[in-house]
Amino acid sequence: KNQVEQSPQSLIILEGKNCTLQCNYTVSPFSNLRWYKQDTGRGPVSLTIMTFSENTKSNGRYTATLDADTKQSSLHITASQLSDSASYICVVNRGSTLGRLYFGRGTQLTVWP
Amino acid sequence: DTEVTQTPKHLVMGMTNKKSLKCEQHMGHRAMYWYKQKAKKPPELMFVYSYEKLSINESVPSRFSPECPNSSLLNLHLHALQPEDSALYLCASSQTKQEITTGTQYFGPGTRLTVL
Repeated sequence: KNQVEQSPQSLIILEGKNCTLQCNYTVSPFSNLRWYKQDTGRGPVSLTIMTFSENTKSNGRYTATLDADTKQSSLHITASQLSDSASYICVVNRGSTLGRLYFGRGTQLTVWP
Repeated sequence: DTEVTQTPKHLVMGMTNKKSLKCEQHMGHRAMYWYKQKAKKPPELMFVYSYEKLSINESVPSRFSPECPNSSLLNLHLHALQPEDSALYLCASSQTKQEITTGTQYFGPGTRLTVL
């Protein structure tokens, strides 16, 4: 069964601290993995996209890692800011079929001052 | 311009009303999507259009009727909805099928729909 599991479900950290979000998937065949940030009531915004051969990709304070062997990914946020408070969603693209994206339930991150 | 726009932002309708959601992108993308997202849940794919033709319908009830009048516009016509259809409706677009393995979907801000 094609699934994407994220942990933790929710996370509270203090401003300026770092955190790491986890994503495990069983989607096969694997095409690529994306991390999205979604503010409440808004559409998801892409942070990173990684293909099979990529291990690490950074976008500012966001760094994603991918281990295609263990089917795990992580999103590391450095020096968190209040504006980082959002839901972070891991999405896996299955094969090359148009539109076949499998979404995780997301990690709700809250950054406190 | 890397923006997908959606109108209206909010919509309240009765179960006997007919309304439409609109989505627009000017990135030259030839694939467009409708998703439904309930609170605290991931988006669920409803429809996929590729080159203005319906490519995927994820067994969506007929009270939802998509339309793609041209390569930049995507509509979702609503009729006789139920209260459980209340959700955030997201539109997205991406480049053509040939670039699907590395392409990124761009999402609009969504329309918050409430059915009374």
